[in-house]
Formats: sequence, structure tokens, C-alpha cells
Amino acid sequence: NAGVTQTPKFRILKIGQSMTLQCAQDMNHNYMYWYRQDPGMGLKLIYYSVGAGITDKGEVPNGYNVSRSTTEDFPLRLELAAPSQTSVYFCASSYETGPEKLFFGSGTQLSVL
Amino acid sequence: AQKITQTQPGMFVQEKEAVTLDCTYDTSDQSYGLFWYKQPSSGEMIFLIYQGSYDEQNATEGRYSLNFQKARKSANLVISASQLGDSAMYFCAMRDPHYGGSQGNLIFGKGTKLSVKP
Repeated sequence: NAGVTQTPKFRILKIGQSMTLQCAQDMNHNYMYWYRQDPGMGLKLIYYSVGAGITDKGEVPNGYNVSRSTTEDFPLRLELAAPSQTSVYFCASSYETGPEKLFFGSGTQLSVL
Repeated sequence: AQKITQTQPGMFVQEKEAVTLDCTYDTSDQSYGLFWYKQPSSGEMIFLIYQGSYDEQNATEGRYSLNFQKARKSANLVISASQLGDSAMYFCAMRDPHYGGSQGNLIFGKGTKLSVKP
């Protein structure tokens, strides 16, 4: 039972480079989320999706893009990486009903230098 | 707008003792949910406990309980019989219906770092 799988675990980017953070879940959850966690802070929502083909912005979407072509996958794209995007990124998913507990991936630590 | 406040940056507790981690929240909604997550040094976020605003009983999950005081807008996490493996960051969170669809985005506090001493 893999749950939510994120790759890569660590990445160093140069300013201006682009990359895609991968996220996959095998629980057939419709809801998926991308959060970022800055040092000493809680998590903030970047983008979310309520189902395949449907995405929307969260609190801090600038500099990111997402797509959701399947229920399982929810990749996060960073275009023109900036030092302000140095953070730990978490992907999460949840059931549609119930106490809406989020299942998190193990995170991606990204440094932009 | 919803807000979560955790005023204890760090806490120490002796192994086998109980500890309370504070959380206060601010919301104008009548229906809301409160969560606690644990983040060990390995980095993953682990769901611990959930309390709905209309739940009459305080939530309990094993050694974790949530001391929910609605009038004071507090949702403190109580860990009984602390273990060395409880050393971690603990985050209080609540749902913000303005993002995240009907499920809502989770708004997190800044966290409390708990250290359990042997």
C-alpha cells in the first residue's frame, strides 16, 4: 500500500531552471493538494484539484503550474525557479467525504541557488 | 479569515509523563474541523486526531486526546505517557473553505517542537 508517492526527495536547481515535482496516489482519491513548507512555518497551499481535469489556485500559486490528467497523478511544475521557491514541498490527497483527513507524501526538499 | 495560533515554539517533557500542546483558532464559521498532525525529523506529515465543531465529545485516538473548548476557541492536544518516539514537530490545523473545494484547504499553525527526555 504505497499511499502518496513523491519524487524526487531532494533537488537543487539553479535560478531560472525549470522542473516538475511528481506526485502519485493509489487510493483513488479525487482530492489532491500541493503544499509548501518554509523553515519554521506551517504548510501553505499552492494548488489543489478536486478531480481529473479540474485544478484551482491556493494561497501561494505564483511561480507554479499544475495539471491533473488522471486521478492518480498531480504533478507540480516550477517555471523559472527563484530562491524564494526554496522550500519543502508536500503533496497530499483526501477522500471526498468523512473527516477529510489528508494523506501526505514524504516531501521534496528543493533548493534554488 | 481562519487563523491558527500555536504559541509554544518548543516543549520538553519527561518520558512517561503527559504533555499538552496549545492551539487556539479564529473563525467566523459555525461548522469547522480541527486537526493535529505530527512531523518527525524524517519529514512526513502524520495525521493524529480530528475534532469537528459539533462533536460533543472530545476526540481521542489512543494516547492522543484533544481538549476542545469551543467558547475559548482552543483545541489543545494532550499526549499521555510520552514516549521517545513522540519527539517531533506538532501542527494544529483547521479547514479553510475559501480554498480546496468542498473539502477545504488546511490552514496550519507554525508548530510546536516537542522533545521527550529519557
